[in-house]
Amino acid sequence: AQSVTQPDIHITVSEGASLELRCNYSYGATPYLFWYVQSPGQGLQLLLKYFSGDTLVQGIKGFEAEFKRSQSSFNLRKPSVHWSDAAEYFCAVGAPETGNQFYFGTGTSLTVIP
Amino acid sequence: DGGITQSPKYLFRKEGQNVTLSCEQNLNHDAMYWYRQDPGQGLRLIYYSQIVNDFQKGDIAEGYSVSREKKESFPLTVTSAQKNPTAFYLCASSIDRDRVGEETQYFGPGTRLLVL
Repeated sequence: AQSVTQPDIHITVSEGASLELRCNYSYGATPYLFWYVQSPGQGLQLLLKYFSGDTLVQGIKGFEAEFKRSQSSFNLRKPSVHWSDAAEYFCAVGAPETGNQFYFGTGTSLTVIP
Repeated sequence: DGGITQSPKYLFRKEGQNVTLSCEQNLNHDAMYWYRQDPGQGLRLIYYSQIVNDFQKGDIAEGYSVSREKKESFPLTVTSAQKNPTAFYLCASSIDRDRVGEETQYFGPGTRLLVL
């Protein structure tokens, strides 16, 4: 079965520090990969997505992610975190072979300290 | 402004009661989805619909029902058979019914359901 793993349940970083959130997936073919962000009590907002081509993708709010096929990973990065980045981050995987479903990771909660 | 609306924001259910969560989109998207979110479990798919008058079960459909009588509307009913309904429910949509699982999904603001 397809699966998405976000190994870090909670991360705390200082404002201005760099950030990397990990995402690993279990899937044979090249998946479609997404990162979403969720503020408390809100819906999910798309940060970025990878379908094909350049393995380093840029998203909104200064985020980027790199697809590494050899490691089955799609880690999210930001060079300098702002206090407003505190939220829950979800990695998702989709493809027609997954039975028309997205599979979401369990999320990583980000706390930003001044 | 185009988007997805969910109502109500908070909903209370008594034991044995059916409740219906509303989801409306004016994005002209073909496909619509319902997810359940529990702490520490991410999002789990309840039902999805690629076209009017057709829908498919997701991973956790038991105790839930849906309808898709109009393209823009995809209401979710939480029935009395759902024994643990307390959760945050998210509705989403995507553009192309033939690319479900491939395309970006756009989410509504969610409805929190609580059991009295």
